[in-house]
Amino acid sequence: DTAVSQTPKYLVTQMGNDKSIKCEQNLGHDTMYWYKQDSKKFLKIMFSYNNKELIINETVPNRFSPKSPDKAHLNLHINSLELGDSAVYFCASRSWTGQGPVGELFFGEGSRLTVL
Amino acid sequence: RKEVEQDPGPFNVPEGATVAFNCTYSNSASQSFFWYRQDCRKEPKLLMSVYSSGNEDGRFTAQLNRASQYISLLIRDSKLSDSATYLCAVRQTGANNLFFGTGTRLTVIP
Repeated sequence: DTAVSQTPKYLVTQMGNDKSIKCEQNLGHDTMYWYKQDSKKFLKIMFSYNNKELIINETVPNRFSPKSPDKAHLNLHINSLELGDSAVYFCASRSWTGQGPVGELFFGEGSRLTVL
Repeated sequence: RKEVEQDPGPFNVPEGATVAFNCTYSNSASQSFFWYRQDCRKEPKLLMSVYSSGNEDGRFTAQLNRASQYISLLIRDSKLSDSATYLCAVRQTGANNLFFGTGTRLTVIP
């Protein structure tokens, strides 16, 4: 079973549309993240949730809205998509209680978003 | 200034070569350090944590220099399968997220 799974893996859409990406982890972790990796491969934190509570909200346009219905799920909704939103969005999770090396992030396979 | 800086490469080395990557971090309060490996069009996966005293895992050696604020990764006897992008990552004391470098791309040539 995949530990951190994201859907969809590929998303091609027009500017101005609204889209969502879903993420689920079955590792029992407390904390989940959204990272964005741009065309230059820079991996940047966007949001972090701990037990459904938002704890990190980096400088991200408010067109991006995360939602965590429970600690195993973290979704990302994007309104009014722009060309610059094209990137790979990675979901990740981490345990506070030290499963594996302390602080290890487990990543999903990524959702590749292309805005035309 | 970025939290973490890496030489993006690319590094093209022959099989069997030894190659080293460095990564510098800007915040002296950084506490935890990692090397991740990312294959083309795949997600990053943890390669190894970096401990204060340095640590080794087979052909891979990681070191931390707190005084100069950098971490390094040494790969000995490079294999074709080592070709990937290597990302360093740093967590600051009390922080929840990891800051990543831009990654160093390695290609091992037959």
